[in-house]
Amino acid sequence: SHELTQPPSVSVSPGQTANITCSGDALLKQYGYWYQQKPGQAPILVMYKDDDRPSGIPARFSGSSSGTTVTLTISGIQAEDEADYYCQSADISGKFYVFGPGTKVTVL
Amino acid sequence: EVQLVESGGGLVQPGGSLRLSCVTSGFTFTTYWMTWVRQAPGKGLEWVANIKEDGSEKTYMDSLKGRFTIYRDNVKGLLSLQMDSLRADDTAVYYCARGKTADFWGQGTLVTVSS
Repeated sequence: SHELTQPPSVSVSPGQTANITCSGDALLKQYGYWYQQKPGQAPILVMYKDDDRPSGIPARFSGSSSGTTVTLTISGIQAEDEADYYCQSADISGKFYVFGPGTKVTVL
Repeated sequence: EVQLVESGGGLVQPGGSLRLSCVTSGFTFTTYWMTWVRQAPGKGLEWVANIKEDGSEKTYMDSLKGRFTIYRDNVKGLLSLQMDSLRADDTAVYYCARGKTADFWGQGTLVTVSS
């Protein structure tokens, strides 16, 4: 079955860089997508097709891909970036989708 | 402005049924796949199902075992999810989202399965 793994938590100081990884075999062939969810709110898409940023998402958010891992990087992190971050991708067939377990980002 | 508004959630007994709706506006509904995602209380996101632009293809999470059915009405711009034989572990906030990869989301509707 298709699974994605993420670290449960990442903690960084304001102004520093947070790197959130997401690993899964299907990422070798499928794009990764990233969602930010703040408490009590619906998720929003912050990165698509590994490294494309939707309009309205600050430039401090960037994405990359290497092998079976995609990474979301938040440079110069701000307090407002504190949230849960989920990756998502399709399986090898491209039919079924799955989310990673989520990473809680804490800005110290 | 893209808008998705879910409704139809509520309290239902185990074994019961519920039909969720998602009214959409601000984009050309007929040119997008649509997706349902759920989130159990305090848990992560779980992809549930999606449906092709013309409704000809529907894909579901394996563990649903045929209990849920996704529909769309392209005249009304409406997405639906029929949920049957509901179980306690179906309790969640259910979100509709635009596209296979969910670029816009509604605010969700809470489904509680409990006796």
